Amino acid sequence: DSGVTQTPKHLITATGQRVTLRCSPRSGDLSVYWYQQSLDQGLQFLIQYYNGEERAKGNILERFSAQQFPDLHSELNLSSLELGDSALYFCASSVGSQSSYEQYFGPGTRLTVT
Amino acid sequence: GENVEQHPSTLSVQEGDSAVIKCTYSDSASNYFPWYKQELGKRPQLIIDIRSNVGEKKDQRIAVTLNKTAKHFSLHITETQPEDSAVYFCAASRTGTYKYIFGTGTRLKVLA
Repeated sequence: DSGVTQTPKHLITATGQRVTLRCSPRSGDLSVYWYQQSLDQGLQFLIQYYNGEERAKGNILERFSAQQFPDLHSELNLSSLELGDSALYFCASSVGSQSSYEQYFGPGTRLTVT
Repeated sequence: GENVEQHPSTLSVQEGDSAVIKCTYSDSASNYFPWYKQELGKRPQLIIDIRSNVGEKKDQRIAVTLNKTAKHFSLHITETQPEDSAVYFCAASRTGTYKYIFGTGTRLKVLA
């Protein structure tokens, strides 16, 4: 157990809908990273927050957005869902803002868009 | 842009043999190199990492070596066991940036 929690574990929804994925970082970690992993693919970095502020953006679609709250938990919002958005979504946390710190991954949310 | 190439994409070894996975990075300023193991449907788990001020690091059956001149680093697993079967991802990063650059992954199969 990495100490990073994610809810829900599974999510099934229809095209065009909107969903929210939630992540709580490890105690003491200030950074949260979001990744997308499609079937048998690598880890695509989406976005990073540090202590409530956005620090880095990767290949995140305009239909996706995220935020980090004062209690440091983070939410990833996916809207106008398409079949191709079906994937595992992981969040990871680290203590610092920069990438030279270890990142610890949560168990992931499996999103299925039908 | 920054890139990390990982080879091989798949690797099958007999139980008890060694496995080696190699990654090559493009950003010569990279100074942190973690390795993750991901079992099917599970989260990536950090198994070992190395920083640019050392050339090798070991943890029981796992070791990582770094060659800064050639800009490559490798994961070595000795005495492989069936539970080592998973996908392994390498990554590289450098101070002043905010994200890892991940390799494309290696699917390791340990045959009993």
